[in-house]
Amino acid sequence: NAGVTQTPKFRVLKTGQSMTLLCAQDMNHEYMYWYRQDPGMGLRLIHYSVGEGTTAKGEVPDGYNVSRLKKQNFLLGLESAAPSQTSVYFCASRSTSNYNSPLHFGNGTRLTVT
Amino acid sequence: GENVEQHPSTLSVQEGDSAVIKCTYSDSASNYFPWYKQELGKGPQLIIDIRSNVGEKKDQRIAVTLNKTAKHFSLHITETQPEDSAVYFCAATSSFQKLVFGTGTRLLVSP
Repeated sequence: NAGVTQTPKFRVLKTGQSMTLLCAQDMNHEYMYWYRQDPGMGLRLIHYSVGEGTTAKGEVPDGYNVSRLKKQNFLLGLESAAPSQTSVYFCASRSTSNYNSPLHFGNGTRLTVT
Repeated sequence: GENVEQHPSTLSVQEGDSAVIKCTYSDSASNYFPWYKQELGKGPQLIIDIRSNVGEKKDQRIAVTLNKTAKHFSLHITETQPEDSAVYFCAATSSFQKLVFGTGTRLLVSP
């Protein structure tokens, strides 16, 4: 039982390049989330999904797109990377819409955009 | 929407001392307040949570208190150990049941 797995762990992009971050969970969770973590700003929600085939915007969605084609996978895409998107990205999942079920986080992807 | 403020941003204590981290929130409708611990190179992990109908909750050396009137909640760690060194995040539910996180506290426990 791996929990939440994020790939890649590290990536360096040049401005304007594109990439996709993959999140996979093996807990059969309905809800999945993408956060970014920046120094002094905590964790900010980018996009989230309440089930296969559904996505919704979070607090900071601009410059990102997501897809949830399979229940276990949640993809985060950067179409044209910018230096402001240099950050550590975390994927999380939880089992139900119940607000007091815990979030399970992956170990993050550190992205640098030069 | 919800706004969560967390203090201090860094906290250094000696092993065996107590540590207290405080958070305030803005949305009086928030009713769930978890605390997450993030170790270096890893994702955050839930360590304790409290619901709005409870004023205090304990789990061994950690405890959380909630004051709904003042809209603040705190994490208390007693008898700190070096393995408690990490970044701690508080969070609160927003009106759309999405967690809003504080900015984090880096706790350093010196032997």
